[in-house]
Amino acid sequence: QVQLVESGGGVVQPGGSLRLSCAASGFTFSPYGMHWVRQAPGKGLEWVAFIRYDGLYKYYTDSVKGRFTISRDNSKNTLSLHMNSLRPEDTAVYFCARDNTGEQPYYFDYWGQGTPVTVSS
Amino acid sequence: QTVVTQEPSFSVSPGGTVTLTCVLNSGSVSTSHYPSWYQQTPGQPPRTLIYGTDTRCSGVPARFSGSILGDKAALTITGAQADDESDYYCVLYLGNGISVFGGGTKLAVL
Repeated sequence: QVQLVESGGGVVQPGGSLRLSCAASGFTFSPYGMHWVRQAPGKGLEWVAFIRYDGLYKYYTDSVKGRFTISRDNSKNTLSLHMNSLRPEDTAVYFCARDNTGEQPYYFDYWGQGTPVTVSS
Repeated sequence: QTVVTQEPSFSVSPGGTVTLTCVLNSGSVSTSHYPSWYQQTPGQPPRTLIYGTDTRCSGVPARFSGSILGDKAALTITGAQADDESDYYCVLYLGNGISVFGGGTKLAVL
């Protein structure tokens, strides 16, 4: 069955960096677009970033542009999110989610359990 | 800035019908936004209910249906059950790789 397992979350100081990973299994990873979605404590869901199946196109919500980088390694079935210049408002649970298609977002059909990130001094 | 608005909260009686909506501040919601709907209970990842405006995901009960109502996307629950008490989120695709979540609706069944 499809599994998405996030890792890499933790506590980091403002201005610091963190790298999240999402290990995919139970399906052929390379044809699917992938997303990161986050949820701040007690708040709603927020779309963060999308990467096309081949990794050639990447899209971000405005608040993370220039600070976060989404990437993927299709040989290792892994999605990553490199987060730099972290701010307290980046504190959230970060979910990876598979898109049902490969080239442009359509909908999220599978979700991981999430990994928590806390940005605090 | 594009904002997608949902009712912050709603209540429905067991067995009743409720329609949650998803409004785009920049104009009408259409099928080209590929509206999708997600259900989330505390501490859990979201569960995908509806995609492509009105297609139910496998395993989703038939009491959940999606549609376009006027200029909004809508999720209707017909015959609400106690375990439908959850947060519900819509997502719209804005083009150029950008998706946006609505603020979510907390649904009470009482």
